[in-house]
Amino acid sequence: EPEVTQTPSHQVTQMGQEVILRCVPISNHLYFYWYRQILGQKVEFLVSFYNNEISEKSEIFDDQFSVERPDGSNFTLKIRSTKLEDSAMYFCASSAQGAGYEQYFGPGTRLTVT
Amino acid sequence: SQQGEEDPQALSIQEGENATMNCSYKTSINNLQWYRQNSGRGLVHLILIRSNEREKHSGRLRVTLDTSKKSGSLLITASRAADTASYFCATGGITGANSKLTFGKGITLSVRP
Repeated sequence: EPEVTQTPSHQVTQMGQEVILRCVPISNHLYFYWYRQILGQKVEFLVSFYNNEISEKSEIFDDQFSVERPDGSNFTLKIRSTKLEDSAMYFCASSAQGAGYEQYFGPGTRLTVT
Repeated sequence: SQQGEEDPQALSIQEGENATMNCSYKTSINNLQWYRQNSGRGLVHLILIRSNEREKHSGRLRVTLDTSKKSGSLLITASRAADTASYFCATGGITGANSKLTFGKGITLSVRP
């Protein structure tokens, strides 16, 4: 069964460093998302992406964050200058048809900022 | 803004019993989805119910949605120890081509063998 994959599974970085989290969505899906979950808290929406552009972003998704679909398969989240509060589990999700349809999540990347 | 909130926060039952989890939200939605998360792992999609549906079944799962009360529920019948996990409801909005999901805080379900 097709699934969303994410790499790395765990990333440790120092405050102020740039990180890139990678995702391979399900191959025929057209809508892509990033969410994050701080330990013990809710899963929070960060950004949605369709047709090579951002469709919607949350207040969390400030100028330090960017997303890209550099080729036909990868979908990346970049954090330019990490802060301690960026430590969280980051989930990528994809959907075949966008609004009103299931979103399928990857296993997550645990980002630890020290 | 729309918001899914589950109750109870934690549920402990014996294997074979049914588990009922509730979700309430504040604004109009397109759909309500339920996800499971095993400790430290990713989110697994369980079932989606649309705003024009009242009840849906999938295997041992039964979901309901009452848009007039802005609430829904997930029933797991004949629970198994392997059902032990956190369960989240997530609401999808009614506008936009790419509907974000808004998650609740989750319910921790423990099924005792």
